[in-house]
Amino acid sequence: YVLTQPPSVSVAPGQTARIPCEGNNIGSEAVHWYQQKPDQAPVLVVYDDRDRPSGIPDRFSDSKSANTATLTITTVEAGDEADYYCQMWNSSNDHVLFGGGTKLTVL
Amino acid sequence: QVQLVESGGSVVQPGRSLRLSCEGSGFTLSDYNTHWVRQAPGKGLEWVAILSYDGKTKGFADSVKGRFSLFRDNFNNMVHLQMSSLRTEDTAMYYCARDPTVIGGYYFDLWGRGTLLTVS
Repeated sequence: YVLTQPPSVSVAPGQTARIPCEGNNIGSEAVHWYQQKPDQAPVLVVYDDRDRPSGIPDRFSDSKSANTATLTITTVEAGDEADYYCQMWNSSNDHVLFGGGTKLTVL
Repeated sequence: QVQLVESGGSVVQPGRSLRLSCEGSGFTLSDYNTHWVRQAPGKGLEWVAILSYDGKTKGFADSVKGRFSLFRDNFNNMVHLQMSSLRTEDTAMYYCARDPTVIGGYYFDLWGRGTLLTVS
């Protein structure tokens, strides 16, 4: 099972960024998202498809179709520039999967 | 302060062994599943292993299975990743991560800052 993300997404400040994560039948799985800034550890931004940890603004949200989960960041700020990773649990082998990561550039 | 702190990273030769440690503070580590996730230089995140909160479940990525093991030190609120037969491709930053789930659906709500392993 593979989670596929585009290597990069670019967006102007104040606009909406959408970062897709493709996987076979991912719509039936719980998907989680992490933000990683340079030389820092990842930070959970969305979990269980729609929940956010405390301190994460509601500008971050997730949506899903049958084969794609999408992290949406509204009103993008310069501080949102980072790598973003999707993640899920593969129940067939009890392993954790990460997407390859998407670098968000704020123009 | 609630945090995870990794230690033990070093430069080692191929074929050697090393132990990485993860210490929890501000909470009881054995109340949670503990995972290790690594990141090779300039690359993405790769899941390595899980030790369940009750110690009954241990799981390893295919890339490390048979070479890495896990054990818990509840007295010191720590989890250790014992690595053997190290390969150059094991070179990475190793993160310890806390997982609040019980069965499946794993995710990571707290990460350490990582410890760097270089196999060369």
